[in-house]
Amino acid sequence: AQSVSQHNHHVILSEAASLELGCNYSYGGTVNLFWYVQYPGQHLQLLLKYFSGDPLVKGIKGFEAEFIKSKFSFNLRKPSVQWSDTAEYFCAVNTKAAGNKLTFGGGTRVLVKP
Amino acid sequence: GAVVSQHPSRVICKSGTSVKIECRSLDFQATTMFWYRQFPKKSLMLMATSNEGSKATYEQGVEKDKFLINHASLTLSTLTVTSAHPEDSSFYICSARDGGRAINEQFFGPGTRLTVL
Repeated sequence: AQSVSQHNHHVILSEAASLELGCNYSYGGTVNLFWYVQYPGQHLQLLLKYFSGDPLVKGIKGFEAEFIKSKFSFNLRKPSVQWSDTAEYFCAVNTKAAGNKLTFGGGTRVLVKP
Repeated sequence: GAVVSQHPSRVICKSGTSVKIECRSLDFQATTMFWYRQFPKKSLMLMATSNEGSKATYEQGVEKDKFLINHASLTLSTLTVTSAHPEDSSFYICSARDGGRAINEQFFGPGTRLTVL
C-alpha cells in the first residue's frame, strides 16, 4: 500500500527566508505526486503536480518541487516566502494500483512571521 | 473552472439526528467523487469513493451504514451521517474528478464542519 510522510509538522520562518518541505512516499511503482495548500479558513488548493517528464515541477505562487525517484522524495521549495504563505501544506500521492485514490501526508503547518 | 461546492459549510446538530452534506461540481461532470474526513491538526483521511450511478466504495474501518453516500447525478454526491454522535464531529471534505480532464486530478470543496452536541 502507498503511504506518504512529511517529516516537518511545524515550520516557522521569517519573510524572505527560503522554504523547503520534505515529502517521502513508499511505493515501488509509478506514482503521481501532488502538493496541496490549505490557507486558514479556506479549502485545499493544488500547488503543483507531477505525472511524468521533467522531475522539476513549477507550480503557482513561486513554488516548485523536485521528484527524486531514487530517494522516493518530492520536496517542495520556495526561494523567498511571504507572510501570505502561512498555511498548511499537504503532500499526496496516487497510483493506478490503488485506483488513483489520493493518499495524503500528515501535513506541515507553516507560519511566516512578517 | 473546476469548482466544487459543499453545503452546508457548518452544521450543528443534536446527538442521534442525521445530517446530510451535499457536494456539487459546478462547471464540470464528476464521474467520481471522494469523501474525506479531517480531524483537527491532522491530515485528510479518505472515507469513500463515490461513482455516479453505483454504490460507493468505503475504506477500511469506515461504517457504510453510518456514512451513507449517494451519487445520483454527475454533479451531485451526498454524504449522510446517520444517528450522529459527538465522535462524528469533524471537518468533512469532498473532492471531484473531472471526467473531461487528466484522470489523476481532483478538485476539492471548501469542507463542512460538523459539530454534534
